[in-house]
Amino acid sequence: NAGVTQTPKFQVLKTGQSMTLQCAQDMNHNSMYWYRQDPGMGLRLIYYSASEGTTDKGEVPNGYNVSRLNKREFSLRLESAAPSQTSVYFCASRETAVDYGYTFGSGTRLTVV
Amino acid sequence: RKEVEQDPGPFNVPEGATVAFNCTYSNSASQSFFWYRQDCRKEPKLLMSVYSSGNEDGRFTAQLNRASQYISLLIRDSKLSDSATYLCVVNIPGYSTLTFGKGTMLLVSP
Repeated sequence: NAGVTQTPKFQVLKTGQSMTLQCAQDMNHNSMYWYRQDPGMGLRLIYYSASEGTTDKGEVPNGYNVSRLNKREFSLRLESAAPSQTSVYFCASRETAVDYGYTFGSGTRLTVV
Repeated sequence: RKEVEQDPGPFNVPEGATVAFNCTYSNSASQSFFWYRQDCRKEPKLLMSVYSSGNEDGRFTAQLNRASQYISLLIRDSKLSDSATYLCVVNIPGYSTLTFGKGTMLLVSP
């Protein structure tokens, strides 16, 4: 099925470990986004890529890096995980040439102990 | 003032009730509007876009009031399965990102 695929779905890390969250979309969308959502809170934008070859910081970029590998793939890296990064991470994509909303992936549930 | 504001609720309604949510936005240049639905621990999913003329999809009706800068979502004949958080989303021209409200929680009880 067409859409946004995130891997892994669940992950437990120890403080200080690193990992990369993967995201791929097969809808040929220009823009891709990484959000985090903490319990009882709204979505907060970490980084986004308006088009292939560009990335920009969102509201909460500290502690994260991103790579727009190609038009399909946008990865999020935690270099040294901290307990404050325990969250649910959602990747999304959007075709900005038309007036559509986001399509979200199913999320990665990350726990840092 | 926050860019997109929603009453967090929860709105507790019995099955079969009609319930309405409003969402206000601060930027008058906002161009397009969406309602998303998010189930607990799941990803947000597009429920409907909101057009200037309003739009209806089954039991759901969305309206836009540009003069007062708010959009609304009306749910008729509520079902247990409508229990979720409803997110208001706004597109401001020139921005690459959409702006989300924090959501309104709806709980439908038997």
